[in-house]
Amino acid sequence: DAEITQSPRHKITETGRQVTLACHQTWNHNNMFWYRQDLGHGLRLIHYSYGVHDTNKGEVSDGYSVSRSNTEDLPLTLESAASSQTSVYFCASSEYRGSDTQYFGPGTRLTVL
Amino acid sequence: AQSVAQPEDQVNVAEGNPLTVKCTYSVSGNPYLFWYVQYPNRGLQFLLKYITGDNLVKGSYGFEAEFNKSQTSFHLKKPSALVSDSALYFCAVRDMNNNAGNMLTFGGGTRLMVKP
Repeated sequence: DAEITQSPRHKITETGRQVTLACHQTWNHNNMFWYRQDLGHGLRLIHYSYGVHDTNKGEVSDGYSVSRSNTEDLPLTLESAASSQTSVYFCASSEYRGSDTQYFGPGTRLTVL
Repeated sequence: AQSVAQPEDQVNVAEGNPLTVKCTYSVSGNPYLFWYVQYPNRGLQFLLKYITGDNLVKGSYGFEAEFNKSQTSFHLKKPSALVSDSALYFCAVRDMNNNAGNMLTFGGGTRLMVKP
């Protein structure tokens, strides 16, 4: 069955370190998204991609970057981790733009000390 | 700009009773509306969506939602709650006229607690 996976599931890092969170989907979806989930804020969009070599900034993109070298993967990089980036991160994908449903991965819990 | 409000942080209901989780939205054009559910330590799962057509949308696990354009609401309902329905529920909206593509805006979430 097609799925979307994230790794690692849990990560503890120190302030200032570079961290990369992986997202891999086997749906062959063109669209991929990264969200962060924080109490009181719901999910907020960090970055998104509509296809290979396409990336776009979302609502809370400062301090994060993504690259899309193939259809299956959209890694999220924290260039210099900050305590404010402690959160749960979700990757999602969808087949079409517009009204299409997004499918979510299981999440990565990141703690920045 | 598009936005979603879920006015209740938590909804408590007894098993077997009907449940309602409220959602209101704001868009400049016509909305696409979604409900997702999140169980502990899991990602969000799609429940149902409204795109166009019948205002009453039926989804997974016996849930349904009613689109009300005049009240800009999309409340989630179920006639008879189960303990296993206890989870975090998110409403999301996308403005049909939004040229930024498939970008959803999520509400803050409502925790549903169903007690035996």
